[in-house]
Amino acid sequence: DADVTQTPRNRITKTGKRIMLECSQTKGHDRMYWYRQDPGLGLRLIYYSFDVKDINKGEISDGYSVSRQAQAKFSLSLESAIPNQTALYFCATSDTGFKQETQYFGPGTRLLVL
Amino acid sequence: AQSVTQLGSHVSVSEGALVLLRCNYSSSVPPYLFWYVQYPNQGLQLLLKYTSAATLVKGINGFEAEFKKSETSFHLTKPSAHMSDAAEYFCAVRRTGANNLFFGTGTRLTVIP
Repeated sequence: DADVTQTPRNRITKTGKRIMLECSQTKGHDRMYWYRQDPGLGLRLIYYSFDVKDINKGEISDGYSVSRQAQAKFSLSLESAIPNQTALYFCATSDTGFKQETQYFGPGTRLLVL
Repeated sequence: AQSVTQLGSHVSVSEGALVLLRCNYSSSVPPYLFWYVQYPNQGLQLLLKYTSAATLVKGINGFEAEFKKSETSFHLTKPSAHMSDAAEYFCAVRRTGANNLFFGTGTRLTVIP
């Protein structure tokens, strides 16, 4: 079984709809991240969480919110989706605060906003 | 702020040829540097990372990267490309004073039979 799972894997929604992307991990890591990937732009950080009570904005948090329901679960919400939020979204985890820590990525959620 | 630049959004090599993917970083101090690989329809996975222990870093699948402070570079190489190396490769840096990674724009590697 995968260590970092994301649901749904694909989603099509309409402008103005609320949508939630979910991430679960079985690695026992405290740190979790949400990124979006756009062609030619690489990955950009949306939000990150170092534990259940710690949520931090990333580079591009506008239009997004997150919830850390438990150590293993970190959800990303688009309160009112817009077409330029069409992207590939990745959840990632890491286990330490060391500078050389490795991040472990989920398989991604492909979101299309019409 | 620290950042990375990947030269060439697409690189094509013949099977068996040398793979060279370029990454330059901007930083006043040697940062922590990473290469991640993304195979089609998958998430990213770590290929290798520079942690100042050695300038030549060996990773998985025969890849290696050399940290060159004088050139502010961390290029990824593999002596002989295999068809299974076709993927997108991302260079990433740990920002000074921050807790997250900053990714380059990626290089898509195509291997020609």
